Amino acid sequence: DAGITQSPRHKVTETGTPVTLRCHQTENHRYMYWYRQDPGHGLRLIHYSYGVKDTDKGEVSDGYSVSRSKTEDFLLTLESATSSQTSVYFCAVHQGVGNTGELFFGEGSRLTVL
Amino acid sequence: GESVGLHLPTLSVQEGDNSIINCAYSNSASDYFIWYKQESGKGPQFIIDIRSNMDKRQGQRVTVLLNKTVKHLSLQIAATQPGDSAVYFCAENILTGGGNKLTFGTGTQLKVEL
Repeated sequence: DAGITQSPRHKVTETGTPVTLRCHQTENHRYMYWYRQDPGHGLRLIHYSYGVKDTDKGEVSDGYSVSRSKTEDFLLTLESATSSQTSVYFCAVHQGVGNTGELFFGEGSRLTVL
Repeated sequence: GESVGLHLPTLSVQEGDNSIINCAYSNSASDYFIWYKQESGKGPQFIIDIRSNMDKRQGQRVTVLLNKTVKHLSLQIAATQPGDSAVYFCAENILTGGGNKLTFGTGTQLKVEL
């Protein structure tokens, strides 16, 4: 499982509230990613990080922010959750050697925004 | 675990038969093409990848074929087993300094009938 832990695994919240999802890894991976998975859309990249304090936007970054203050943690924040952000969120990592497309994914965090 | 109620194209095969899962991709500039497997309640798991300058690559019980002329990718699974039941995603990767920023397809549900 590449040492990835996502928390919380399940969360129900109300529209307008802030939410933070945490991805923790124990294997010193350089690259970390946040994806969301929705019916009919597959997985879409939200944000990614290529090192401590180095982050960039993905395909569907609006309404999300991220932070990476240390190698092992990559946080995804919804400043004011909306119902359209109800989804399953996956964190993924890549070591950065021999880029081919192999990512290791966490078990996912299911977020429901009422 | 996490799962998404996906309304996906479904391929049903008998145990022991060969399976062929197809994918059309969009970006002719992609450097790598990748197949992932996602079991119910889990994150996607890397199966095999192929570089854009190749047209075939074999792994253990799996073969990936790439036809760049028609932008088509396929995954062949030999002697399909019940444990192969899952959702299969193809993905494209354009190598950049940002590591593996993959673009995923919407997935195909493989059901193995006993």
